[in-house]
Amino acid sequence: GAVVSQHPSRVICKSGTSVKIECRSLDFQATTMFWYRQFPKQSLMLMATSNEGSKATYEQGVEKDKFLINHASLTLSTLTVTSAHPEDSSFYICSAGSSGGTFTDTQYFGPGTRLTVL
Amino acid sequence: AQKVTQAQTEISVVEKEDVTLDCVYETRDTTYYLFWYKQPPSGELVFLIRRNSFDEQNEISGRYSWNFQKSTSSFNFTITASQVVDSAVYFCALSESTGRRALTFGSGTRLQVQP
Repeated sequence: GAVVSQHPSRVICKSGTSVKIECRSLDFQATTMFWYRQFPKQSLMLMATSNEGSKATYEQGVEKDKFLINHASLTLSTLTVTSAHPEDSSFYICSAGSSGGTFTDTQYFGPGTRLTVL
Repeated sequence: AQKVTQAQTEISVVEKEDVTLDCVYETRDTTYYLFWYKQPPSGELVFLIRRNSFDEQNEISGRYSWNFQKSTSSFNFTITASQVVDSAVYFCALSESTGRRALTFGSGTRLQVQP
C-alpha cells in the first residue's frame, strides 16, 4: 500500500519558537494532503486541506497565520506552527490522496508528529 | 454537514469475548465512504475497512466483521474472540465520495481487552 511519512515523529520546543512538520508521500503523487490535529484522548479534527501549487483551505477556527501550510510539490506538504504555545501541544497527523483516476478513496495517513511546547 | 457518533466512550471486555463497536453517521450526500481505523498507543492510524455507500453487504475479515445498515445510518464493527492485542482506540469516519474527501471522525471508542 501507499506510504506516507512524517518528520519529525516527536518534537519538544520552547514557547514562542516555530516548528516545521513535513509530510511526504513516498511512492505516489499527492495532489491533496490533509492535516489533522488530535488532542489527548480526543478525536482527530481536520485543520486544513493542502493542495499542490495553491493556497491551503483552513477549517473554521484554525488560524491560517499561525499554522502555515506549504504544498510545494506532489510529494511534500509542510505544516509550520509559528510562535508555538503550550496550547498547541498536540498530535499532528497528515494524510494524502493520490492524483487523478487511481485515487482509492482510502486516505493514507502518516505516523503522526507529537508536539510538546514547554 | 457530516457527523459521526460513537456513543461508546470506553469498553472493557475479557479476552475471547465478542465485542461490538457502534457507529452512527449523518450526511446529506447520497454517495459517501465509511471507514474504521484502529489507533494503538503508538498513535499511528491503522486502516481497517472502507465501505462505499452503495455497498450494503456485510463484510468479514478474520475475527473482524462489519454491519452496514443504510436504513439506520449505522456502520457497526464486531470483533469476535477478542484478544489483548485488540486493545486500542477505534475510530469510525466518513468522507464525501467526491470533492475534498477529507474525513470526519467519530470521537472514538477505547477498547480494553483484559487477559
